[in-house]
Amino acid sequence: SAVISQKPSRDICQRGTSLTIQCQVDSQVTMMFWYRQQPGQSLTLIATANQGSEATYESGFVIDKFPISRPNLTFSTLTVSNMSPEDSSIYLCSAGQGRNEQFFGPGTRLTVL
Amino acid sequence: GESVGLHLPTLSVQEGDNSIINCAYSNSASDYFIWYKQESGKGPQFIIDIRSNMDKRQGQRVTVLLNKTVKHLSLQIAATQPGDSAVYFCAESDNAGNMLTFGGGTRLMVKP
Repeated sequence: SAVISQKPSRDICQRGTSLTIQCQVDSQVTMMFWYRQQPGQSLTLIATANQGSEATYESGFVIDKFPISRPNLTFSTLTVSNMSPEDSSIYLCSAGQGRNEQFFGPGTRLTVL
Repeated sequence: GESVGLHLPTLSVQEGDNSIINCAYSNSASDYFIWYKQESGKGPQFIIDIRSNMDKRQGQRVTVLLNKTVKHLSLQIAATQPGDSAVYFCAESDNAGNMLTFGGGTRLMVKP
């Protein structure tokens, strides 16, 4: 199994600012994903982070709002841009060798004031 | 830590009893299913998976049952313990891609 860490673990931000979340995996993985989990809700996939190419976004999520980087097989970043209170959520990174056994990081708890 | 599952359906069981958590899915093309456990303040933790060519798979104290006819998945936990208290999510995917679609989740509370 892969061990995944995220930084920061939590943050409180002012509206209009941006926050970059880092995801580090302890081994090389094929697939990395970013999810959002709003309070009391299930997980919603934001995008698939593709190594060496642009991320693939799900319906309702756009690159301008959630730019993603994946410079290598163990690291990815998600930026939440021009934040509003509606962006307050838990952001989760997952990784795996395809859809099988995706392992999750601990999440980043974001509060936007 | 942050609470997860404040508005989710809740299953309350007595310590030592068996728990059954249910999940319905809608995509008839789904051929791979996973159960995750999420404790408060943590990310989801993989529990067990099952492919559509099986109808039952057992792990340590857990069993997953798959009924493709009615598109239903269940997770059975034997001899439920206080450490099993968490929110449980099912997830599904089809062979068209690598993404998982998560179900709504169920909060399991174990009474001592």
